[in-house]
Amino acid sequence: DAKTTQPNSMESNEEEPVHLPCNHSTISGTDYIHWYRQLPSQGPEYVIHGLTSNVNNRMASLAIAEDRKSSTLILHRATLRDAAVYYCILRVGAGSYQLTFGKGTKLSVIP
Amino acid sequence: NAGVTQTPKFQVLKTGQSMTLQCAQDMNHNSMYWYRQDPGMGLRLIYYSASEGTTDKGEVPNGYNVSRLNKREFSLRLESAAPSQTSVYFCASSPRRVENTEAFFGQGTRLTVV
Repeated sequence: DAKTTQPNSMESNEEEPVHLPCNHSTISGTDYIHWYRQLPSQGPEYVIHGLTSNVNNRMASLAIAEDRKSSTLILHRATLRDAAVYYCILRVGAGSYQLTFGKGTKLSVIP
Repeated sequence: NAGVTQTPKFQVLKTGQSMTLQCAQDMNHNSMYWYRQDPGMGLRLIYYSASEGTTDKGEVPNGYNVSRLNKREFSLRLESAAPSQTSVYFCASSPRRVENTEAFFGQGTRLTVV
């Protein structure tokens, strides 16, 4: 199964862009790259997902390397509400019904 | 917008007691899931239901049973609770296979087994 590697923690100043990296060197050609985040004491929340091309939505942008061995989640202007644990996930196993969560990156936003 | 609703939000059980965690979604989703999250860890899949009438084991199914009562509801049962089942339990749903769509999660049930 393909694995992901993320930094344990990152800090950002409020209103500045944040780039959250994820390495997935063993990704297969059919694996989608998903990002979820979990605010304190809440359930995970979908952020974005993509396969090969860069993706944008109202929450964030996802930049995928040309060889797909890494990706970066970009929050354009961090707010205090963006302080959360961010999970980079490859769909793994269980007939595409399982999202395998690692420990993620804990993002702190400094006012 | 209710989304995914879990009940109860908190529960304390004694070892050996049984209980059922309830989950309902109002988004007409086909697939539903139960995850558990232990302190400082990511979520692990317990069971999932690809569609109404089907259930399958996930990564950590031992000690649990599930029922997909109808398209809206997916329950998780602990027949004989153990301290190792102390965790936060999350229910989720998705329109179809989670591979290329988003999953929606409930707010969680904090279960303590003493």
